[in-house]
Amino acid sequence: AQSVAQPEDQVNVAEGNPLTVKCTYSVSGNPYLFWYVQYPNRGLQFLLKYSTGDNLVKGSYGFEAEFNKSQTSFHLKKPSALVSDSALYFCTVMGRRALTFGSGTRLQVQP
Amino acid sequence: DAGVIQSPRHEVTEMGQEVTLRCKPISGHDYLFWYRQTMMRGLELLIYFNNNVPIDDSGMPEDRFSAKMPNASFSTLKIQPSEPRDSAVYFCASSGSGASYNEQFFGPGTRLTVL
Repeated sequence: AQSVAQPEDQVNVAEGNPLTVKCTYSVSGNPYLFWYVQYPNRGLQFLLKYSTGDNLVKGSYGFEAEFNKSQTSFHLKKPSALVSDSALYFCTVMGRRALTFGSGTRLQVQP
Repeated sequence: DAGVIQSPRHEVTEMGQEVTLRCKPISGHDYLFWYRQTMMRGLELLIYFNNNVPIDDSGMPEDRFSAKMPNASFSTLKIQPSEPRDSAVYFCASSGSGASYNEQFFGPGTRLTVL
């Protein structure tokens, strides 16, 4: 069975500071890993994907994620947070059975 | 392209009534997914189709739920009879390029309230 864990329900960071949203996964075989973002009353939007290749993946809106196979982690990062980054972030893994979502982490960026 | 279109955006119904949710995927996409989002259970995959054929419906909660995709541009999710515990936001998503592991494009969702 595949699974995703997002250990933090909420992350608070000041505008301009770096941010990290944590994710660990469990899946058989080579993983496809994604980050999606959900703004209030909206559907999810794709941020980035890891499949193979470089462990550092760059995505939309200045976000990036680092794939670490030994730690089975795929943390989302951004060097300088914006207030507009405040949203709900989902880490997802794709294995044999389509997408499995983490529980989500609410990012709150304070001005 | 207008993106994934879902209708209605909001639905309020009474327990026991039939509910039909509709989705129009992005033109050219060959995968279509139905998800449900609740506070208690988070985001759950209900069913997905490839080229209009259901591939995995193991997430469908029970026989009261059914989904169809009669053609490449339309899918429905039906609940009959509806129950209060079905209250949730239902999302439809589509992806293309012949692979289930590509980026998915989500619709705005249908907020269902069953009284």
